[in-house]
Amino acid sequence: EIVLTQSPGTLSLSPGERATLSCRASQSVSGTYFAWYQQKPGQAPRLLVQGVSSRATGIPDRFSGSGSGTDFILTISRLEPEDFAVYYCHQYGRSPLTFGGGTKVEIK
Amino acid sequence: QVQLQESGPGLVKPSQTLSLTCTVSGGSIGSGSYFYNWIRQPAGKGLEWIGRIYTSGNTNYNPSLDGRVTISMDTSENQFSLKLYSVTAADTAVYYCVRDRDSWGQGTLVTVSS
Repeated sequence: EIVLTQSPGTLSLSPGERATLSCRASQSVSGTYFAWYQQKPGQAPRLLVQGVSSRATGIPDRFSGSGSGTDFILTISRLEPEDFAVYYCHQYGRSPLTFGGGTKVEIK
Repeated sequence: QVQLQESGPGLVKPSQTLSLTCTVSGGSIGSGSYFYNWIRQPAGKGLEWIGRIYTSGNTNYNPSLDGRVTISMDTSENQFSLKLYSVTAADTAVYYCVRDRDSWGQGTLVTVSS
C-alpha cells in the first residue's frame, strides 16, 4: 500500500497569502495518477487537481499542482476567504487507492 | 452532469451487514469507462477508500477490510451497491459513493450500534 504523508498538519495563513501544501508518498506513484481535494465541514470533498497538475472543471487558476515520483505539492497562490478548509492528497494509480491524512488551512 | 445519491439504513447493529445503494442520474453506469467507488470518513478523520467497480463489472477492494466487502452494480436500475459484513463500531462513518474522482454523492452517515 502507498502511504501518503501530508505536511504540515495545519497551516495558519492570512487571506492573500500563498499556501504550499506537501504530500510525500512511501513509494513512487504510478504515472500521473495523483490528485488533490478540498473539503469543507459537512460537505463532500471537491476535486481540485488530478493527473498531478490538471485543474478540475471550474477550479480557479490560483490552485496549482506539481510534483512527480514521491513528492507532490499543491499551491494556492493567493488565499481567498473560501479557501480555508482541509485538503487531501490522493493516489489512484495502484490499488488500494489511498489518501493523505489532510492539511487544515486555517485563518491566522 | 452526473449526480450520485447514497441511500440505506443509518443505523446497523454490530455483527450485521451494512448495505448501501448509490443511484446514478445523468449518465448510464453501463456505458463509458468509469470506476464507481465507495469511500468512507469517520467523524473528524480522513478518507478511506473501500473499493470500486468498473463499468465492465470488475472489482477491487481495500485489503484492510479483511474480505468483508462486496460491491456490485445493477445496470437496469442505474445503481451500484456496497455490502460490508460483520460490522463493528469502527465501521461508523459517513459513506460516499463516487464516480472516478470528480463526482461525489452528498454522503450518508451510518452508525454501528446496538
